Amino acid sequence: LAKTTQPISMDSYEGQEVNITCSHNNIATNDYITWYQQFPSQGPRFIIQGYKTKVTNEVASLFIPADRKSSTLSLPRVSLSDTAVYYCLVGVFSGGYQKVTFGTGTKLQVIP
Amino acid sequence: DSGVTQTPKHLITATGQRVTLRCSPRSGDLSVYWYQQSLDQGLQFLIQYYNGEERAKGNILERFSAQQFPDLHSELNLSSLELGDSALYFCASSVAGGTASYNEQFFGPGTRLTVL
Repeated sequence: LAKTTQPISMDSYEGQEVNITCSHNNIATNDYITWYQQFPSQGPRFIIQGYKTKVTNEVASLFIPADRKSSTLSLPRVSLSDTAVYYCLVGVFSGGYQKVTFGTGTKLQVIP
Repeated sequence: DSGVTQTPKHLITATGQRVTLRCSPRSGDLSVYWYQQSLDQGLQFLIQYYNGEERAKGNILERFSAQQFPDLHSELNLSSLELGDSALYFCASSVAGGTASYNEQFFGPGTRLTVL
């Protein structure tokens, strides 16, 4: 399993763009990169997933360089409700077999 | 609401006891995953079942066991409980498929286990 490294915590002011970078040096060819968000005492919620280059959805963007050894989750114009823990996952998703590991995550604190 | 249900929401028990946590996946999801999250810790993957069969095993203790039934609901059995087993236990489900976009995990609300 590819090991991921993320900053333990980050602070940001409301309205700012937040970028959280995840390192995954030993990512395998078949691995996808997925980000989840977790609020206290709730289950994680899927944010975005990608394999290479850039992926964008209604809540975030995911930037993956050509070597795929890192990825950056970008949250545009954060609000107080974005205060949460963000997990970067790297793993295999195929044919019903899914083996991924959640790291310790990045605790994002949005400041008014 | 993710569509994944877990019961009970809270469970308080004593050391040495045995408990069973239950999970019902989203309709149509064949895979069920169990995770443990201790206070201020990340999520520890325990085990995955797919259509009734064990598919992947993580850091699951021998005192813990799980199964997935023909109706696809799953149970996690924790025995000889210790104080350190106190944690939030999450169940997640996903659709089996050939492409990654169909393997998003949907998490339930969790069961908070307190061992006294």
